[in-house]
Amino acid sequence: EAGVTQFPSHSVIEKGQTVTLRCDPISGHDNLYWYRRVMGKEIKFLLHFVKESKQDESGMPNNRFLAERTGGTYSTLKVQPAELEDSGVYFCASSQVSLAGVYEQYFGPGTRLTVT
Amino acid sequence: RKEVEQDPGPFNVPEGATVAFNCTYSNSASQSFFWYRQDCRKEPKLLMSVYSSGNEDGRFTAQLNRASQYISLLIRDSKLSDSATYLCVVSKDSGGSNYKLTFGKGTLLTVNP
Repeated sequence: EAGVTQFPSHSVIEKGQTVTLRCDPISGHDNLYWYRRVMGKEIKFLLHFVKESKQDESGMPNNRFLAERTGGTYSTLKVQPAELEDSGVYFCASSQVSLAGVYEQYFGPGTRLTVT
Repeated sequence: RKEVEQDPGPFNVPEGATVAFNCTYSNSASQSFFWYRQDCRKEPKLLMSVYSSGNEDGRFTAQLNRASQYISLLIRDSKLSDSATYLCVVSKDSGGSNYKLTFGKGTLLTVNP
């Protein structure tokens, strides 16, 4: 079974530019999450989709971030315009309900974003 | 106060040592508890879920004390391959099947030959 995939693995852009990150969850996983780790800080939740619906975007830093999940399959996270503080590693995770009732989340390898 | 606090580390131990990680969480409504491990420049991977009764998986033992809001992970007979950052993670049902994870900052473990 293929795991969660993310593209690109690295992105270096200049302040003010736009970047779009993509996540392909594990097939059949309705739940999709975006997280971010800024250097020196803990991994933090950004938002959650169930299929194509945004359930919780309370972790999105500001309106420069836009996430979509058209058709309930892959998701994109766009940053426009990018600022220096947006640098970090963006992780995507997906989950399905486990038999134990505990939602186990599987993470993708992350996209390392550097804004210069 | 951070939602999940871990030993800052780093821990450097010789092979075969026993090492313990401690973690506290602030939200008493937290429902699920995990230890993830993260290798350098890789994604977090679930090591084990933590249950109130405590649970063991080979050399790894996890404990949960809900009253104290405390979670622990014990690694016995540590191996070189155990070197990684260990992340304490909690979650709760935030509605709409949203079990967003709240992470600690992680504790780096290096096992030396």
